[in-house]
Amino acid sequence: QVQLVESGGGVVQPGGSLRLSCAASGFTFISYAMHWVRQAPGKGLECVALISSDGSNKYYVDSVKGRFTIARDNSKNTLYLHMNSLRVEDTAMYYCAKDSMGGMDVWGQGTTVTVPS
Amino acid sequence: DVVMTQSPLSLPVTLGQPASISCRSSQSLVYSDGNTYLNWFQQRPGQSPRRLIYKISYRDSGVPDRFSGSGSGTDFTLKISRVEAEDVGVYYCMQGSQWPRTFGQGTKVEIK
Repeated sequence: QVQLVESGGGVVQPGGSLRLSCAASGFTFISYAMHWVRQAPGKGLECVALISSDGSNKYYVDSVKGRFTIARDNSKNTLYLHMNSLRVEDTAMYYCAKDSMGGMDVWGQGTTVTVPS
Repeated sequence: DVVMTQSPLSLPVTLGQPASISCRSSQSLVYSDGNTYLNWFQQRPGQSPRRLIYKISYRDSGVPDRFSGSGSGTDFTLKISRVEAEDVGVYYCMQGSQWPRTFGQGTKVEIK
């Protein structure tokens, strides 16, 4: 079945780094753009980054530009989010999601990133 | 950025009764290809979001037909024809016509 499984979350001090991974299965990964979406505790949803199917185009929300890097390895069916210079406000559940028709039709279960104050 | 504004933010409903959520965008969501990329998502307590509707009114696979979407341009609506207990959660609209993709604040649906 179509599945996305995130990993790599944890507790990291302000200014630290973390790499999130998202393993995809059950669909042709190379054919789809992919997203990272985050949700701060008790808050709404925010699209953080988007990468095209071949990895040639990448988009970031202003709050993470220059700090986060989205990447993918189509040979491993895996999506990544490299996060540097982490801030308290980056604390959130991070979801990877498959792009479809201008939205996201498959979501992972999420991985939690905590940057304590 | 396109601002998505939902109303109401809280919606108590009676089981079996209809419910309606409004979503307005700060600018037209008609994309250059003629499509309007307006999505609706459901997030049940403790779960990941799930898309219900894409391109204003197309239901995703497995979505019950009591959910329907309508609208155009900058005004959109999600309707639940008869609310069931499993519909409790937060509903978000999201535009996919421009980057960054932006979500509404969310509407919390609860049973009276």
